[in-house]
Amino acid sequence: KNEVEQSPQNLTAQEGEFITINCSYSVGISALHWLQQHPGGGIVSLFMLSSGKKKHGRLIATINIQEKHSSLHITASHPRDSAVYICAVSNTGNQFYFGTGTSLTVIP
Amino acid sequence: AAGVIQSPRHLIKEKRETATLKCYPIPRHDTVYWYQQGPGQDPQFLISFYEKMQSDKGSIPDRFSAQQFSDYHSELNMSSLELGDSALYFCASSVQYGEKLFFGSGTQLSVL
Repeated sequence: KNEVEQSPQNLTAQEGEFITINCSYSVGISALHWLQQHPGGGIVSLFMLSSGKKKHGRLIATINIQEKHSSLHITASHPRDSAVYICAVSNTGNQFYFGTGTSLTVIP
Repeated sequence: AAGVIQSPRHLIKEKRETATLKCYPIPRHDTVYWYQQGPGQDPQFLISFYEKMQSDKGSIPDRFSAQQFSDYHSELNMSSLELGDSALYFCASSVQYGEKLFFGSGTQLSVL
């Protein structure tokens, strides 16, 4: 069983839709990261969370430490949001565990 | 703003050769992480350094070694390359241990 589970694995949405990607983890963590990987490979760190909620533009990330669960929301989705979204957790030993990623396609 | 610089961007090697990948973190970042992402696979954590000392070790093969130098840049040395080493190798840095990661654009290694 993976330490980090994401759902869904694949997601297709119409432009403008509200999108939610979920992440559950089974290990003790010091922080949870949401990463975005575009075709061609480049990875961008979107958020690092240890509690609560963070917002950046149309992106919102939440984490519930007790339930070991995080969600990434995209409001008013746009085709340029099409990418793979990866949830990763880090522990106090700085070991990272990656989820399998969610491939998002936003159709105009 | 300066980002994480990786070199080279692309590298082609033959089996049993050696390769050295370089990573230059963002200025004043003292922590460097290396990841390997095979075709169609999830990124795998290899190794990390904090203040020039190895801080954690992941799934790095014994044929690979890495170090962080006094100017905080890091090098990943890969010997006896195998076909399965073909992958995208990412480096990331953070301002200090446990803070937000900033990723480089990766080095695409092809072993023929």
